[in-house]
Amino acid sequence: ILNVEQSPQSLHVQEGDSTNFTCSFPSSNFYALHWYRWETAKSPEALFVMTLNGDEKKKGRISATLNTKEGYSYLYIKGSQPEDSATYLCASGYNNNDMRFGAGTRLTVKP
Amino acid sequence: DGGITQSPKYLFRKEGQNVTLSCEQNLNHDAMYWYRQDPGQGLRLIYYSQIVNDFQKGDIAEGYSVSREKKESFPLTVTSAQKNPTAFYLCASSIRWGLTGKFFGPGTRLTVL
Repeated sequence: ILNVEQSPQSLHVQEGDSTNFTCSFPSSNFYALHWYRWETAKSPEALFVMTLNGDEKKKGRISATLNTKEGYSYLYIKGSQPEDSATYLCASGYNNNDMRFGAGTRLTVKP
Repeated sequence: DGGITQSPKYLFRKEGQNVTLSCEQNLNHDAMYWYRQDPGQGLRLIYYSQIVNDFQKGDIAEGYSVSREKKESFPLTVTSAQKNPTAFYLCASSIRWGLTGKFFGPGTRLTVL
């Protein structure tokens, strides 16, 4: 069974703080890493897809990096805003078309 | 607007009753999926369908059934055989089956009393 671990489970930061969280995944037969943003009462929305070791993606104040050799990805949020409050899910995909989701990191940004 | 809809948002059922959760997409996607979320766990795959009239069991298919008679629709039935049916259920679709990005619905929270 492939386990994808996300840490921390939850995080509370003040508005303006920068923060980051981790997704760890089995690296054998790895194909792609997906990050999703999931606001309460809404559908999860895709943020990034990364496939290559060393990939970095950026969207506004949010960025992500990927290390496929050691099996981890970081998601960074610079200058957190209350609207960044959400659960951030990662999912790793493998060459056999298996895709595994982590339990998510719940971020709360206090004004 | 293109997207995925799930209904209802909240569903309550008595123990022993079958219940069907609706999932509809107008994205013209071939593949559709059902996931279950429990507290502290990642999404787990119940069933998936690569194309209309086809579906396959995921990791936790026991106690569930699906159909895919139309491309747009992938209803999930939670049967009385499912031992712990209370959970949050998410439907998703993708252009094709596999590791392509998924579009998710808003989910249905099922509570069995």
